[in-house]
Amino acid sequence: ETGVTQTPRHLVMGMTNKKSLKCEQHLGHNAMYWYKQSAKKPLELMFVYNFKEQTENNSVPSRFSPECPNSSHLFLHLHTLQPEDSALYLCASSFAWGEQFFGPGTRLTVL
Amino acid sequence: AQKVTQAQTEISVVEKEDVTLDCVYETRDTTYYLFWYKQPPSGELVFLIRRNSFDEQNEISGRYSWNFQKSTSSFNFTITASQVVDSAVYFCALSERSGGTSYGKLTFGQGTILTVHP
Repeated sequence: ETGVTQTPRHLVMGMTNKKSLKCEQHLGHNAMYWYKQSAKKPLELMFVYNFKEQTENNSVPSRFSPECPNSSHLFLHLHTLQPEDSALYLCASSFAWGEQFFGPGTRLTVL
Repeated sequence: AQKVTQAQTEISVVEKEDVTLDCVYETRDTTYYLFWYKQPPSGELVFLIRRNSFDEQNEISGRYSWNFQKSTSSFNFTITASQVVDSAVYFCALSERSGGTSYGKLTFGQGTILTVHP
């Protein structure tokens, strides 16, 4: 498999559920990113991991918890989300500060 | 702080028309990258081009061309002889090298929705 993959592609969860989003990159990149894309809003950077160390947290609520066990895998753990957290969550990776390659995204709906 | 402005929210053209998507950016950095991405209905952002701030040479790739003008802080994207398959949301983005470390932080514009009618 090549590029950046994300699972699941669609997720519906209640506000009391706990779920995780998974991202995997097969490009040998050092940096991985989580973005949130809401309707009528620009893409928002949430977290950055560089060589599996978290280097950026863009004031994201603690109900979103990232994890990066190695340079190829990135998770976003979700708990007690709110309906306004419904969005498309995109994972990306890059080599240094070059172009970022994106996964297909997880469309999240919080009921 | 960085900022990217795509003033055109939506553009609608008929197939075979040429269309230009505007992008204006603001940054205090002297070294930066500019990007264009395409987001088709499937949702995945597809990388189209990267331009280094030191390279103002325009680029053409098939029906796509990009005009980078540092003097006006613009990085415009033109599609020649548009096709229905070009229908998508197009994002312009600016990357700053965060604190000298080995990753970039992208600032995206609001996106331009392009619809090409047959």
